[in-house]
Amino acid sequence: SQQGEEDPQALSIQEGENATMNCSYKTSINNLQWYRQNSGRGLVHLILIRSNEREKHSGRLRVTLDTSKKSSSLLITASRAADTASYFCATVSLAGANSKLTFGKGITLSVRP
Amino acid sequence: KAGVTQTPRYLIKTRGQQVTLSCSPISGHRSVSWYQQTPGQGLQFLFEYFSETQRNKGNFPGRFSGRQFSNSRSEMNVSTLELGDSALYLCASSWAGKNYGYTFGSGTRLTVV
Repeated sequence: SQQGEEDPQALSIQEGENATMNCSYKTSINNLQWYRQNSGRGLVHLILIRSNEREKHSGRLRVTLDTSKKSSSLLITASRAADTASYFCATVSLAGANSKLTFGKGITLSVRP
Repeated sequence: KAGVTQTPRYLIKTRGQQVTLSCSPISGHRSVSWYQQTPGQGLQFLFEYFSETQRNKGNFPGRFSGRQFSNSRSEMNVSTLELGDSALYLCASSWAGKNYGYTFGSGTRLTVV
């Protein structure tokens, strides 16, 4: 079953613009992670934010986490054509030793040159 | 350092056959997880191995099994293949699991005919 639900499902922007993607989840989490996937290949880990963190940056990426609303957002600033990919949020449950990633359905981002 | 290596990259099998997929994690990573990705169901967790022990299992039938060797390499096996098993199978490795990001391989594309 899907834990994360991303919004929007698809996003098309011009190169240089910012892209904001949202993710909501249902249960208590240990952490939330964002991944990128290019054309059905493997996933690339972008960033991990723990449940006690509210914001994290990595290069052009900014992730926020609001545990009271059970939501997260991923902001990509100054987008490039190479950012065109599918983006997934994934949660890791708070419960015990459970370390599986529960993924949302993903957001397709198209960056037009 | 080398990434996560999955072999083979592509596989075509006939219904009723069995298949074994292989995953070599990043050196030093002890956690190996397997995921199935299909257009309809998205990314679904299969199982996780840590130090040769299955630590978590997803909601898949018993036809799906796996194991991990002392060098952390992992294999997954699917017996009595069905058309619905056609998918991209992704392996992910992590140093210890839960609190760390995962590094994914490029996947094995399995087609069942």
